[in-house]
This record gives sequence, C-alpha cells and structure tokens, in this order.
Amino acid sequence: RKEVEQDPGPFNVPEGATVAFNCTYSNSASQSFFWYRQDCRKEPKLLMSVYSSGNEDGRFTAQLNRASQYISLLIRDSKLSDSATYLCVVNQAGTALIFGKGTTLSVSS
Amino acid sequence: DVKVTQSSRYLVKRTGEKVFLECVQDMDHENMFWYRQDPGLGLRLIYFSYDVKMKEKGDIPEGYSVSREKKERFSLILESASTNQTSMYLCASRGKWTGGYEQYFGPGTRLTVT
Repeated sequence: RKEVEQDPGPFNVPEGATVAFNCTYSNSASQSFFWYRQDCRKEPKLLMSVYSSGNEDGRFTAQLNRASQYISLLIRDSKLSDSATYLCVVNQAGTALIFGKGTTLSVSS
Repeated sequence: DVKVTQSSRYLVKRTGEKVFLECVQDMDHENMFWYRQDPGLGLRLIYFSYDVKMKEKGDIPEGYSVSREKKERFSLILESASTNQTSMYLCASRGKWTGGYEQYFGPGTRLTVT
C-alpha cells in the first residue's frame, strides 16, 4: 500500500472554476501535513501547511480528516497561474517527509 | 532569503564515470536530503543526513553514496554512472525533523548519462 496517494489527474478546468484535490495517507501516526506546488521544470515549494481545524489562504483552503486519513485542497476562482502539479506531503515522527506523486492542474482561458 | 543551491543545472556524463552533485544551503539547517524525480514515479528519497558526517539510506540508495563534511554542504556521488540514473536530482534542507517546518529545495540538476 502506498503511503501517500493522490489522483494524478490531469485536472483540466476553465478560469474561474473551483477545483478540489484529495489525498489519502496510510500511517495513522502521521503528524504534520502540507501541500507543495511544483511548476513545470521547477523545484517544489511549500504552498501551505494543513491544520486539523482546516485553514485558508486566499483562494486556497486545506482540510484534514484524521479519522479518515484524508487531506484535501480546494482552489476557488482558478487562475491561469494556478497551473502546476500539487504534491500532498505527510510527516511522521523520525522520518523524512513523504511526498505523494502529485496531481496536475491545467487552467485554461 | 533562504537558499539551497546546486552546483549544476544540467549535466551530461558517460556511462561508468564518477559523478559528483553538490548542494549548499545557507540556512544553518541540520537536515539535508537528496531526491530524484522521474515522470510517473514522483520524488524518491535517495539519502538524507541529519547532522555532519551522519547519513541514512532513503528508499533508493543503490548506486549512490553521499558525503556531509560540513553542515551547509551535502554531496551526492554516483560511483559509476549508468543510463538508468538519468534523472532530475533535487537537493533539499529542513530545519527540524518534525513539526510544521518548511522543506526547501534547490533548483535541481538534470543529469543525462549516455
């Protein structure tokens, strides 16, 4: 069983659409959760951390469901510049960060 | 501004050559990592280091070794490069082992082995 699983996509949406990405993780002892963004031919960069209570940063909302071991990212009012690969990342105590393979988003005009 | 730098953006080597990939971070981070990224396979951890002269194997260490003689520098070594090591190599560093600490990546080295 893969430790962090994501739907690879691609998700093709028009500008202004709302899109949601989901991620599941296998280890219930996971402690910290993140979404990273990776543009084409660039390195991954932190988009946002994910907190148990859910958190929002502008058009981006992240949710965590520990009981279901499920993380989500919601992007509202999609922009062309949101086109990228979104990586779900999980941290367990004493291990390196575990990265999902990513979900590709393409926003078109 | 935090920074992780890698010695080369693009590198072409021949099969059997010894290859050194250098990574330097200026954030005084304890933890440093080497990944490779291939289409469809995502980021795969090769080796990591949590302190000077300390190293741990990641998920795919075969064919690689590492060196960390100074806190800011973490080197990846391909002892005898092979064509299946053609890939994008990403170095990263992180301040703390757990918690909500951001992991910073270098710009990557695209290695081609012919």
